[in-house]
Amino acid sequence: QPVLTQSSSASASLGSSVKLTCSLSSGHSGYIIAWHQQQPGKAPRYLMKLEGTGSYNKESGVPDRFSGSSSGTDRYLTISNLQSEDEADYYCETWDRNTRIFGGGTKLTVL
Amino acid sequence: EVQLLESGGGFVQPGGSLRLSCAASGFTFRTYGMIWVRQAPGKGLEWVSAIGSSGDTTYYADSVKGRFTISRDNSKNMLYLQMNSLRAEDTAVYYCAKLNSVSSQTDYWGQGTLVTVSS
Repeated sequence: QPVLTQSSSASASLGSSVKLTCSLSSGHSGYIIAWHQQQPGKAPRYLMKLEGTGSYNKESGVPDRFSGSSSGTDRYLTISNLQSEDEADYYCETWDRNTRIFGGGTKLTVL
Repeated sequence: EVQLLESGGGFVQPGGSLRLSCAASGFTFRTYGMIWVRQAPGKGLEWVSAIGSSGDTTYYADSVKGRFTISRDNSKNMLYLQMNSLRAEDTAVYYCAKLNSVSSQTDYWGQGTLVTVSS
């Protein structure tokens, strides 16, 4: 089954852009993933589903500033025009047969 | 509006049992698979268990297999997690969550319920 690898932390300035990476293990480049956001002290929130082609489907209400893209085994979440409320942990998720797999999460700090 | 409301968390001694409940509303509960995910203090998300829409199929993470049992009551729109032989490492916030379809992403999360296992 696939393994999802995320950097533990990232930071960017208010109003700038940041690109977070979720890497699938070798041989799993075709897997679809989902991105979730967890703001401090809150439950996770589903953001989008992202395919290996780069096609993504955002949940209703997710700002246009959030977008997804893919390259090989890497899946990206790009946040443009960073706002203070974007400071959160971001997790990627995939699934294989009857198992769900989560990445370790990236803590995003907005400077 | 989809709502998932967990309850049943609390403090329990090692070896004890707890039953978590999740009340679902705002969608046709009986047609969607559901999962439990936990998050230990300061840690990431860990999938615990999944159940198919009818309740006939259930799946577990190796860490809880044989100790936890997932179930659902589609007549009451309720999801459950029976947790037995609890260990300190089971201490976490437990979230119930809805799947978008049988083999698809998690698309709604509950607010979570805290389980603390300690002597």
